[in-house]
Amino acid sequence: GESVGLHLPTLSVQEGDNSIINCAYSNSASDYFIWYKQESGKGPQFIIDIRSNMDKRQGQRVTVLLNKTVKHLSLQIAATQPGDSAVYFCAEAGSWGKFQFGAGTQVVVTP
Amino acid sequence: DTGVSQDPRHKITKRGQNVTFRCDPISEHNRLYWYRQTLGQGPEFLTYFQNEAQLEKSRLLSDRFSAERPKGSFSTLEIQRTEQGDSAMYLCASSLNNALNTEAFFGQGTRLTVV
Repeated sequence: GESVGLHLPTLSVQEGDNSIINCAYSNSASDYFIWYKQESGKGPQFIIDIRSNMDKRQGQRVTVLLNKTVKHLSLQIAATQPGDSAVYFCAEAGSWGKFQFGAGTQVVVTP
Repeated sequence: DTGVSQDPRHKITKRGQNVTFRCDPISEHNRLYWYRQTLGQGPEFLTYFQNEAQLEKSRLLSDRFSAERPKGSFSTLEIQRTEQGDSAMYLCASSLNNALNTEAFFGQGTRLTVV
């Protein structure tokens, strides 16, 4: 069936460097995408979203890129900080309403 | 209203017992979702409501699971005759949906342990 997945299960990044987290989705009918951050023992926290009529969206230190041609989504975190250590999920949604999540990427920020 | 609230945060129950969880969404949000999450996995969809109407229920959800949102505000998720495989984090989320999907905000979850 259709699915959302992540390329890398764990990403180790040095403090101050930029992070890039990738996500592949297979449902071409999805028109809305969200990145979530989840810290241990907590619920997912909204980071940034993007609709399918956009290619790029920027927030505070984060940028989401959407490539509909290859069904690829990425999250860029600028100047990664220790507080960015968490699991990051991408989620997709369409006219069917519910969000479907991938397995997640663990980001570990090293000093 | 500071966000989505779930109660209890933790629940330990014996196998075979019934449990009920509560979710209070953000007050103006008309859509409410229930997800289940096990260690190392992404949230898995269980069911969702638009106001008081339950619009979809996952095929993975057995008959032992039931969810309600009687007045279109808070929701309850009940698991009957719990099994060890039900041990997981149960997450509730809400969103404001009109013509377009909008971001879903999650609560802190209820961690269920079945012993």
